[in-house]
Amino acid sequence: NAGVTQTPKFRVLKTGQSMTLLCAQDMNHEYMYWYRQDPGMGLRLIHYSVGEGTTAKGEVPDGYNVSRLKKQNFLLGLESAAPSQTSVYFCASSYSIGTGEEYYGYTFGSGTRLTVV
Amino acid sequence: LAKTTQPISMDSYEGQEVNITCSHNNIATNDYITWYQQFPSQGPRFIIQGYKTKVTNEVASLFIPADRKSSTLSLPRVSLSDTAVYYCLVVTTSGTYKYIFGTGTRLKVLA
Repeated sequence: NAGVTQTPKFRVLKTGQSMTLLCAQDMNHEYMYWYRQDPGMGLRLIHYSVGEGTTAKGEVPDGYNVSRLKKQNFLLGLESAAPSQTSVYFCASSYSIGTGEEYYGYTFGSGTRLTVV
Repeated sequence: LAKTTQPISMDSYEGQEVNITCSHNNIATNDYITWYQQFPSQGPRFIIQGYKTKVTNEVASLFIPADRKSSTLSLPRVSLSDTAVYYCLVVTTSGTYKYIFGTGTRLKVLA
């Protein structure tokens, strides 16, 4: 059981280049999220998805796009990378949220360290 | 979204019990309290969640008073490997699905 897998683990981009970060989960989770974490700071939500084909903006969505074409995958795209997007990116997934005793915790991937020069 | 407030950092010695308190004054009736642990260069890891009173698992205990405006994560007999950042998060069971992490509490365990 792999959980949440992020690829790539490291990447260096030049300003203006584009790239896509892939997140894959094998737990049949409905919800998926992309966060970024800058040095000494907490996690900031970029975009999230509550189901296949749906996405929504988080706290810091500018400069990023996402897609959830398949339930198990959540893609984060940078169309024109900027040095301010140098960060560690974490993907997470969780069960759907409802009443009762469901587990509300996130499962996180191990992160993608992105440097934009 | 319920805002949470935690201490920025704490130091402790090996073998001691560590208590980290989080305040969440505007927590709603349907909200749960969850805690995460993050080691350097890793994603956060879910530790524990609770609604009221006390919850205990193999890693930690979570104490929640009757008014639910605060919660305390208790780590028994910490070791050097418990050095990490601990995040308190209030999770709603309806409506909003985007969960905001604060800056967490940086716990340093000393030998």
